[in-house]
Amino acid sequence: DAGITQSPRHKVTETGTPVTLRCHQTENHRYMYWYRQDPGHGLRLIHYSYGVKDTDKGEVSDGYSVSRSKTEDFLLTLESATSSQTSVYFCAISEVARRSSYEQYFGPGTRLTVT
Amino acid sequence: AQKVTQAQTEISVVEKEDVTLDCVYETRDTTYYLFWYKQPPSGELVFLIRRNSFDEQNEISGRYSWNFQKSTSSFNFTITASQVVDSAVYFCALFSNSGYALNFGKGTSLLVTP
Repeated sequence: DAGITQSPRHKVTETGTPVTLRCHQTENHRYMYWYRQDPGHGLRLIHYSYGVKDTDKGEVSDGYSVSRSKTEDFLLTLESATSSQTSVYFCAISEVARRSSYEQYFGPGTRLTVT
Repeated sequence: AQKVTQAQTEISVVEKEDVTLDCVYETRDTTYYLFWYKQPPSGELVFLIRRNSFDEQNEISGRYSWNFQKSTSSFNFTITASQVVDSAVYFCALFSNSGYALNFGKGTSLLVTP
């Protein structure tokens, strides 16, 4: 199994509070991603990173920000949580520099509930 | 634009039946990669297979097989002699060189009953 951890694994927070989710990898992969999973929508990309301090927006980036100060850590921040951000959040990593490997490996997920 | 369609939302079969999960994709890129992931009830996402656009060979791994047909833009997944442990949500996904992330279908929930 790829070495990917997410913290916290579960969190309940109130509307309007800031929340930071952490993804940590031990694989030294260049690319990291944050997805959210909601019923009926599958997985949707929030933000991704293609290197330290290099990030870009995904399909559903509004209300989220990210930071990557080290190769191994990718943080997702909800500046002011809303109930629509209640979801399961998955981090993923990949190493597309290797031509034979584009698959992404996923962390265990974080279940976030905004009340 | 890239898109992955999994038309089957839910499938229910009895153990030992064969079942095929459909995946249709859209992309304008000539080089792309297709994937299947499994999400069991425990919630983790497990990588099953990757197929490159320039390799249309079908693949078999135990009870699992994949049929890739560029002519119909399909990448279907068949489970032979299904087992209860196969119960999960299965996602098909597409990656191409014009992007950096996977485009997922909405998933097919497979229930295998004894």
